[in-house]
Amino acid sequence: AQSVAQPEDQVNVAEGNPLTVKCTYSVSGNPYLFWYVQYPNRGLQFLLKYITGDNLVKGSYGFEAEFNKSQTSFHLKKPSALVSDSALYFCAVRVYSGGYQKVTFGIGTKLQVIP
Amino acid sequence: GAVVSQHPSRVICKSGTSVKIECRSLDFQATTMFWYRQFPKQSLMLMATSNEGSKATYEQGVEKDKFLINHASLTLSTLTVTSAHPEDSSFYICSARRTSGGTDTQYFGPGTRLTVL
Repeated sequence: AQSVAQPEDQVNVAEGNPLTVKCTYSVSGNPYLFWYVQYPNRGLQFLLKYITGDNLVKGSYGFEAEFNKSQTSFHLKKPSALVSDSALYFCAVRVYSGGYQKVTFGIGTKLQVIP
Repeated sequence: GAVVSQHPSRVICKSGTSVKIECRSLDFQATTMFWYRQFPKQSLMLMATSNEGSKATYEQGVEKDKFLINHASLTLSTLTVTSAHPEDSSFYICSARRTSGGTDTQYFGPGTRLTVL
């Protein structure tokens, strides 16, 4: 079965420090991987995606993520956190198989950046 | 964990017809649900925010008369694609926001694949 794990419910980081939000997945087939951010009372906003090619993907707002096939991970990172980065972050995996597609989301990780 | 269902999971319709997609939160009440669409190899695009008992809030560029959203109860929101055309073919996903018990999180439905011939 396809699954996505975000092992941390909440991540706290001081402003200016690097941040990492973890995501691991389990799929059959080649995954497309996504990160989304959700601010309070808003829907998801796209941050970045991995389809194929370079394992290091750069996205919006200075975020990046590295696809690690051997570890089945797609951790979200940013070199220097901003208070405005405080939000809920979702990892998602999408797989096409036999003409069907399946999208699975992680449960979300709350990022709190402390001034 | 909380479960959100969508029905149907897959639908094929003729151009010009209307299609209704249901999103249900099975074990919690959701005052807010979100509707997204996703094109192949693309990210989710937020279409609208559905609020129970009030009008939906549509994102810029989304035609509210084409994509009718109704959130008549705390466990059900529906998206109706009216007069569907082939360019409406897409993968539609809903999510339901759960705020009970001191939590505030979002649960996603499995998605509905719409193909308009």
